[in-house]
Amino acid sequence: DAGVIQSPRHEVTEMGQEVTLRCKPISGHNSLFWYRQTMMRGLELLIYFNNNVPIDDSGMPEDRFSAKMPNASFSTLKIQPSEPRDSAVYFCASSLSGGGGYTFGSGTRLTVV
Amino acid sequence: GENVEQHPSTLSVQEGDSAVIKCTYSDSASNYFPWYKQELGKRPQLIIDIRSNVGEKKDQRIAVTLNKTAKHFSLHITETQPEDSAVYFCAAQGASGYNKLIFGAGTRLAVHP
Repeated sequence: DAGVIQSPRHEVTEMGQEVTLRCKPISGHNSLFWYRQTMMRGLELLIYFNNNVPIDDSGMPEDRFSAKMPNASFSTLKIQPSEPRDSAVYFCASSLSGGGGYTFGSGTRLTVV
Repeated sequence: GENVEQHPSTLSVQEGDSAVIKCTYSDSASNYFPWYKQELGKRPQLIIDIRSNVGEKKDQRIAVTLNKTAKHFSLHITETQPEDSAVYFCAAQGASGYNKLIFGAGTRLAVHP
């Protein structure tokens, strides 16, 4: 298995633009998590899905953030409009529900200028 | 709410010494405790984990201990090597069935030759 695949690896965008981050979980995993990592806040859980259904989005910082999981092999995290304070590394992770660790993707480093 | 505290935030040791990182968790229903290692610019990777029905687990130079009564768990690295230098995160998982992990703030370990 290729692991959790995220794209793009790096994204530089101007303030106000829409940004879409993509994630393909490990085949067979039915839980998917989006995290944001910054020096100040560490690893923050933004939202997670189970069997493609959003379970808890209480970590999404503002209405500018939205996430979807249209099928078991694809999820997106969208920021519209983006702001400089959104600059961070965004990680996607997947696992099998029922207890156990995650496998993280390589992350997307987002820079909003 | 759920919370995981991790100490110390930075740790500097000489090669060959031992390193200990400690975490406490707030949710008494937590039943799974993984540790992740994150090298600079890379994804967090699972290095060892422990479940609530076990008090200690060892894998070569690393070991984890769990005290359920006190709600704390620790990572022990013996005979440290320069390649152990990284940020280490502890995490706790509740019993919801969705595998949500709450992460500690991380410990930056530096092993000096």
